[in-house]
Amino acid sequence: KQEVTQIPAALSVPEGENLVLNCSFTDSAIYNLQWFRQDPGKGLTSLLLIQSSQREQTSGRLNASLDKSSGRSTLYIAASQPGDSATYLCAVGKTSGSRLTFGEGTQLTVNP
Amino acid sequence: DAGITQSPRHKVTETGTPVTLRCHQTENHRYMYWYRQDPGHGLRLIHYSYGVKDTDKGEVSDGYSVSRSKTEDFLLTLESATSSQTSVYFCAISAEGSGNTIYFGEGSWLTVV
Repeated sequence: KQEVTQIPAALSVPEGENLVLNCSFTDSAIYNLQWFRQDPGKGLTSLLLIQSSQREQTSGRLNASLDKSSGRSTLYIAASQPGDSATYLCAVGKTSGSRLTFGEGTQLTVNP
Repeated sequence: DAGITQSPRHKVTETGTPVTLRCHQTENHRYMYWYRQDPGHGLRLIHYSYGVKDTDKGEVSDGYSVSRSKTEDFLLTLESATSSQTSVYFCAISAEGSGNTIYFGEGSWLTVV
């Protein structure tokens, strides 16, 4: 059974800092990996999707990497802003159709 | 934003009563999902659908049933609600061949008293 772990569970940083969120998974036979953002009381918003054949994806100040063999992914946020404060979740898909297994998330607070 | 509407958004119900949550999409996506989110467990898949009348169980399907009679609607039914089903329920959709980017609804908060 796939298990997804995110460390740390919570992170507080000053504005402007570059930061890395970590995600690890136990079964390397994945189809894809996605990073999501969740604001309090809201649904999830997809940030980046990495296919199993890819090593990284970038969107603006966000960069996600994937090392399938070691079962790890990182989400790099450059020049963090207070508006980045949210919970970030990673999820892995086993097959097409996105039956995703989620980590519990990292709650990020960026202080002005 | 993907066109996903969940209803009701908030509901309080009594133990033993049936409850139906509705997910409606305007994107004509093939796949639809119901997840629940609980502290300490994260998001867990309840049921999913890969087409009209085609559904399958997720990891926490006991006590839940689903139906999909039209592409745009996916219903989640709690036949006899229990306190352990108090949770936030999220509907999600994805398209075939899209790289499987998944889009989530805003959630339905269910409290069973």
